[in-house]
Amino acid sequence: AQSVTQPDARVTVSEGASLQLRCKYSYSGTPYLFWYVQYPRQGLQLLLKYYSGDPVVQGVNGFEAEFIKSNSSFHLRKASVHWSDSAVYFCAVSAKGGNYKYVFGAGTRLKVIA
Amino acid sequence: EAAVTQSPRNKVTVTGGNVTLSCRQTNSHNYMYWYRQDTGHGLRLIHYSYGAGNLQIGDVPDGYKATRTTQEDFFLLLELASPSQTSLYFCASSDWGGREQYFGPGTRLTVL
Repeated sequence: AQSVTQPDARVTVSEGASLQLRCKYSYSGTPYLFWYVQYPRQGLQLLLKYYSGDPVVQGVNGFEAEFIKSNSSFHLRKASVHWSDSAVYFCAVSAKGGNYKYVFGAGTRLKVIA
Repeated sequence: EAAVTQSPRNKVTVTGGNVTLSCRQTNSHNYMYWYRQDTGHGLRLIHYSYGAGNLQIGDVPDGYKATRTTQEDFFLLLELASPSQTSLYFCASSDWGGREQYFGPGTRLTVL
């Protein structure tokens, strides 16, 4: 069965600092991997996705993530955070050629402070 | 850009009540999904569909029915609502199964 673990429920960083949000997944086949962001009182928006190819994928607003198959990880990174990055971030996995169900992590709430 | 709309945006009902949540997508996507979002659980899949008339069971289906009447419209039905179904409900769509999803703005349901 697929599963996603986001070990940090809350992360606080200073504006301008670098960021890493962790995500580990469990799936025996070929995964599709995603990061979504949820701003207050809104739905989820796609930040970036990995289907195949280059393991480092670039997303919107300076976010990137690296797929490390040997570690079953897909951590999200940003070199310099802005206060507007404060939101909840979700990692998700789905299956290539599988039953097309998504599994989401529990989310990491990011707070950027001045 | 994909457009997914949900109605109502907020709903309050009583235990045992009958509730229908509506979702419409206007991008001719094949797949549509219903999720619930609860603190500490992220999003959990209730039901999904890959076309009109099709329904697939998700991970937390108990107490929920769903129906996909057209390519565009997907409904979630709670026929005997319970307080445990108080949650934020999201609808999403994707062109192919497993690929990126486009989410609606959510419906906040409160069951008293």
